[in-house]
Amino acid sequence: DGGITQSPKYLFRKEGQNVTLSCEQNLNHDAMYWYRQDPGQGLRLIYYSQIVNDFQKGDIAEGYSVSREKKESFPLTVTSAQKNPTAFYLCASSTQDPTGELFFGEGSRLTVL
Amino acid sequence: GQNIDQPTEMTATEGAIVQINCTYQTSGFNGLFWYQQHAGEAPTFLSYNVLDGLEEKGRFSSFLSRSKGYSYLLLKELQMKDSASYLCAVKDSNYQLIWGAGTKLIIKP
Repeated sequence: DGGITQSPKYLFRKEGQNVTLSCEQNLNHDAMYWYRQDPGQGLRLIYYSQIVNDFQKGDIAEGYSVSREKKESFPLTVTSAQKNPTAFYLCASSTQDPTGELFFGEGSRLTVL
Repeated sequence: GQNIDQPTEMTATEGAIVQINCTYQTSGFNGLFWYQQHAGEAPTFLSYNVLDGLEEKGRFSSFLSRSKGYSYLLLKELQMKDSASYLCAVKDSNYQLIWGAGTKLIIKP
C-alpha cells in the first residue's frame, strides 16, 4: 500500500533537547511538506521541498531544520531554539501538479516537559 | 493579509443535512480544497474546486463562488462517523496553501 509514514506517533522531550521526526513516503511524490497544527489555528507550513537536495522555509521555520537527501524521506528536527515546540506535526506529500491534493501522514504529537 | 474564515463549531443531527461555509481573502486564487480530519488523525482529501459551481461526490458536495470569495461543503444523510473537523484551504497566486482553522462538526443521534 502506498502512503506516508510518520514516526514516532508520540514523543516526549525535555527542554533543551533536539528531536527528529521521521517522514517516509512511497508514493513517488516529488514535493514534501511539514506542517504544525495547534488548537484553534489553521495548519502552518514549517518547511517544504519540491525536489531532492532542495528545500524552502515556510511561514514558521525558526527553530526547525530539515533535509531532503532522498526522494522518499523528509525528516524534521525540532531544535532547542524552538520556543514553543509542543504541537501536532503533520508531514504531507504531493505531485508537482499544482491542482493536486496533499496526502498526509498520521502525525506526530510532540510534548515538551 | 490572507485570511480564511470558517465557523469554529457546528452541531447537526444524524440523518440531516449540514452546510459548512468558508470565506476567503487571498492574493490570487488557484483552487479551493476541503479536507476531513478526525481527532488525532491525518486530514484526508474531500474535494477540489477551481471553477464556480457545485461539485457532487456521493453524500458530499462542494460549491464555489470566486466572485464572492465563498465556498461551502454540504453533507447529506449525516452519519455518526461524519463527526470530525472540516478544513478549508485555498491555493494563492504562488500555489501556496492557506488554511482555515477548521470547523468541528458534532453529530447527535
